[in-house]
Amino acid sequence: DIQMTQSPSSLSASVGDRVTITCRASQVIGDYLAWYQQKPGKVPKLLIYVASTLQSGVPSRFRGTRSGTDFTLTITNLQPEDVGTYYCQKYNSAPLTFGGGTTVEIK
Amino acid sequence: QVTLVESGGGLVPPGRSLRLTCATSGFTFMTYAMHWARQAPGKGLEWVAVLSSDGRETFYADSVKGRFTISRDTSKNALYLQMDSLRPDDTALYHCVRGGSPFSSSPGDNWGQGTLVSVSS
Repeated sequence: DIQMTQSPSSLSASVGDRVTITCRASQVIGDYLAWYQQKPGKVPKLLIYVASTLQSGVPSRFRGTRSGTDFTLTITNLQPEDVGTYYCQKYNSAPLTFGGGTTVEIK
Repeated sequence: QVTLVESGGGLVPPGRSLRLTCATSGFTFMTYAMHWARQAPGKGLEWVAVLSSDGRETFYADSVKGRFTISRDTSKNALYLQMDSLRPDDTALYHCVRGGSPFSSSPGDNWGQGTLVSVSS
């Protein structure tokens, strides 16, 4: 099965900073990569699908990119409401594996 | 609006069975793939199973294959997860998730609040 390696596992940044989270697939998955945000005590929310398409209503400060089997979620101008854990998920074929998650905190 | 409401969780001893139900509304149930995902306390997300919109395809995580069965009742707009031979490591909050398309290969665009399953003697 394809493994999804997400890094870092946690990060702390200041309001207004640019934050980068990376997810690496162990094999080619095309653009079949989604990013989710899970705020504390809440259910996950789909942010991005097909690697770079923003789900409706997601602020434009969130951006997804792909380079081969490496995927990146970038949050520009980090806001206090962006605190939470971010997960990637591959969905090209089953199993639809999640990455281990990245917890984002505000300094 | 899309609504997904899970029920059926509880405390069960190892080896027993549970059946989870997801009541859905606000969308045309038969036109979307549906997933189950889980999150153990304090842990990350784990995808569990998917059922395609036509009901012909089901896929499972290796950790539950042969023990869990995903199914649906289109007349009730309901999704189910039959969980047999439960183990302590199945303890988690189980979420019903709508896929973003009819196909089993789809991300989850709407998540239910979840129902808690605890497996312990």
